[in-house]
Formats: sequence, structure tokens, C-alpha cells
Amino acid sequence: GENVEQHPSTLSVQEGDSAVIKCTYSDSASNYFPWYKQELGKRPQLIIDIRSNVGEKKDQRIAVTLNKTAKHFSLHITETQPEDSAVYFCAASPGFQKLVFGTGTRLLVSP
Amino acid sequence: NAGVTQTPKFQVLKTGQSMTLQCAQDMNHNSMYWYRQDPGMGLRLIYYSASEGTTDKGEVPNGYNVSRLNKREFSLRLESAAPSQTSVYFCASSGMGPLADTQYFGPGTRLTVL
Repeated sequence: GENVEQHPSTLSVQEGDSAVIKCTYSDSASNYFPWYKQELGKRPQLIIDIRSNVGEKKDQRIAVTLNKTAKHFSLHITETQPEDSAVYFCAASPGFQKLVFGTGTRLLVSP
Repeated sequence: NAGVTQTPKFQVLKTGQSMTLQCAQDMNHNSMYWYRQDPGMGLRLIYYSASEGTTDKGEVPNGYNVSRLNKREFSLRLESAAPSQTSVYFCASSGMGPLADTQYFGPGTRLTVL
């Protein structure tokens, strides 16, 4: 089955810096790759997603890139702000509307 | 729209007790899911229901049962709770068409088994 690995597990940056979180997946049939943000004690919330027919997608300060050949995708956050501090999860969909999640990255943005 | 709702928010059980976690969605979604979230392990799929009347096992189904009561509601039952089932449980749903794989989560149920 699909396996998703996510790195790093923790990431500390200064406000205004960029942050990059990387994920790899194993199943070449996976075709949908969402990213979720989870604040402490809250539900995961979708922040951006990408499908396998697209190499890059951007939404204001966040962007996601996908390399199907290498089976990896990344989340990029520019001009980080303290409110970006949260746990970020990547996921891959091997089909049938199922998602397999990475183990999460705790991002801490210091003022 | 309330989206995805879950009850209860918190629950403490003793080993061997049973309980049912409730989930409902008002987005007319076909598919619904139950996940558990443990520290350092992300979200793991317990069971899912692709449509009303169908259910399938996910990655970690042992010790759980589910019921898709109707299109709106999907419940998760623990027949004999064990300390290993201490976790945060999230329900999610997804719709139809080109965005069918986008999942929306409920607020979660924090369960402690003593």
C-alpha cells in the first residue's frame, strides 16, 4: 500500500523567513496530494492541494510543488508569520478517495 | 452549514466499557471516514464508507465497528475499550465530482481509556 514519509518532524524559523516541508510517497498511482494545517487542539484544515497533472500551485504565501518522477512533493511558505505556527500534514491519495498521511511537521515561527 | 460535527468532544472510559462516537455532515457528501490521531503518528484511517450502505476497513480497524446510518451519519463503536485506544478521533467527509477526494474534518473526540 501507499506509504508517505514527511521531513522534518520539527522546523523552527524566524518571522519573515521561508519554510519548506518535504514528503515522499511510494505508490506511483497516487494522484492527489493535499496539505493540512492543524493548530493545537483543533481539526486539520486543508490549506492547499495539488493533482498529478500539475507541477506547481501557489496561493498567496504558500505553494506546493510535485515531482512525479521522483515521487516527492513539497510545501513552501514564504514570509512566515507567528500565526503560521502549527503542525502541517501532507497526504497522498492512492485512489478510491482514501488518503494516507505523513507523520506531521511542527513549525514554530519566532517573532 | 455546520459542516462535519462530532459528539462527544471528550470521553473517559474504563477498560472493557463500550461507547459509540457519533459523526454527522450536512454537505451532502457521499464518503465518510474515521481516523485516529496519536502523537508522532499522524492520522490513520480506521474505517471508511464510500457511499450509504457500504463500509470498508482502513489501516487500523481492529477493535472498532462502524455503521453508516444514512447519508448524513457515520458512527464508530468501541465494543470493549482498551488503553491502546486512547487517542483523538476525527471524522471526515468528502463529496462528488472533480473535488471528490477533498476531505473535510470534524472537530474531533478526545478519548481516554483508563
